Amino acid sequence: QSVLTQPPSVSGAPGQRVTISCTGSSSNIGAGYDVHWYQQLPGIAPKLLIYGNNNRPSGVPDRFSGSKSGTSASLAITGLQADDEADYYCQSYDTSLSGPLFGGGTKLTVL
Amino acid sequence: EVQLVESGGGLVQPGGSLRLSCAASGFTFRRYWMSWVRQAPGKGLEWVANIQQDESEKDYVNSVRGRFTISRDNARNSLYLQMNSLRAEDTAVYYCVRAIAGYWGSSRYIDYMDVWGQGTTVTVSS
Repeated sequence: QSVLTQPPSVSGAPGQRVTISCTGSSSNIGAGYDVHWYQQLPGIAPKLLIYGNNNRPSGVPDRFSGSKSGTSASLAITGLQADDEADYYCQSYDTSLSGPLFGGGTKLTVL
Repeated sequence: EVQLVESGGGLVQPGGSLRLSCAASGFTFRRYWMSWVRQAPGKGLEWVANIQQDESEKDYVNSVRGRFTISRDNARNSLYLQMNSLRAEDTAVYYCVRAIAGYWGSSRYIDYMDVWGQGTTVTVSS
């Protein structure tokens, strides 16, 4: 069964930089499919944060950035703010699933 | 304003059925692939099903194939999910999402989801 592996949690102090990793395999990220990131604030529906590896939808601050290399991807958040505290999910297309595959999610805590 | 509003969730007994609906507004519904994504209590996101613009292609995650049916009515700007033979493990918040297609050679696939509804809760319990 295909998986996208994310750390369960990360934390950082206000103003700091944090990164969240997403590790896939040859049936998804490694096959060349793009990686996308979603932010889910507590009790609210997910929101598209990064698409196409490193593109931000309108309205998303440039403090958020994405990158992809090989079978992995990363989300970086700079100038950490209290309202960045949320769950973050990576997602890519998976050929074994024949559909979109989500990572397990990473809970970001702002100390 | 682009908006997706789900309805139809509720409490149902194991083996029962439920039909979810999603009303779309603020964009040309018939031009987009649409999907359902669910989130079990305290868990992550799971893609459930998607449907092409003209219903010519539908895909399902293995765990719901044969039990769930996705459909749409472009004249009513609406998306549906008929859920039969429900199980406890189907308990989740179900999100209606607008999907953006990607192209791999001559094949199309769901690349990402750019608009999400607020979700509707389905609880399967006796």
